Amino acid sequence: DGGITQSPKYLFRKEGQNVTLSCEQNLNHDAMYWYRQDPGQGLRLIYYSQIVNDFQKGDIAEGYSVSREKKESFPLTVTSAQKNPTAFYLCASSDGWSNNEQFFGPGTRLTVL
Amino acid sequence: AQKVTQAQTEISVVEKEDVTLDCVYETRDTTYYLFWYKQPPSGELVFLIRRNSFDEQNEISGRYSWNFQKSTSSFNFTITASQVVDSAVYFCALSEGFGGATNKLIFGTGTLLAVQP
Repeated sequence: DGGITQSPKYLFRKEGQNVTLSCEQNLNHDAMYWYRQDPGQGLRLIYYSQIVNDFQKGDIAEGYSVSREKKESFPLTVTSAQKNPTAFYLCASSDGWSNNEQFFGPGTRLTVL
Repeated sequence: AQKVTQAQTEISVVEKEDVTLDCVYETRDTTYYLFWYKQPPSGELVFLIRRNSFDEQNEISGRYSWNFQKSTSSFNFTITASQVVDSAVYFCALSEGFGGATNKLIFGTGTLLAVQP
């Protein structure tokens, strides 16, 4: 089955630690995205990547970093510089060249203790 | 600036009632796309519909229908004969431009729909 996987589903970390969230897709999509969702709010774009080895900052990139070494993978690192990292993180992908819909993964809920 | 407003934070209906979720958008672009997504309790967003700015024709898909009106910058979503399985958060989103590399979505804050049996 084609789709997007994110792991783990739930993640707990101590304050001050960096943590990496995994996102893998087998849809052969060029574009991939990371969003953050806080309670009662919509999704906000953290980073996006349109092709391998290229990525752009979204609206709330501070305290986050990404890499895009392979087409199917777009990991997100939440660094200790992110002041309020506890949130629900969603990864998405799309055939990015024609405003097609984005397909989302199941999300990772990160809690920083 | 682009913006999507979903003024209804929460809606509660009884099963079999019809319900309309409102979406109002702002954009300076003449070419844009509008989307609706459903987020069930599991958390994963499910794509429902995409509409481009040149196509104002309303769409019906089973119990779902969408009313796009450029004159009022609205893209409302109606569920007919609601069911408990429709309970979810529904997001409206806007994407500007045509083709190209920019496919960023601007999301509204979502409407939580609770359908009571």
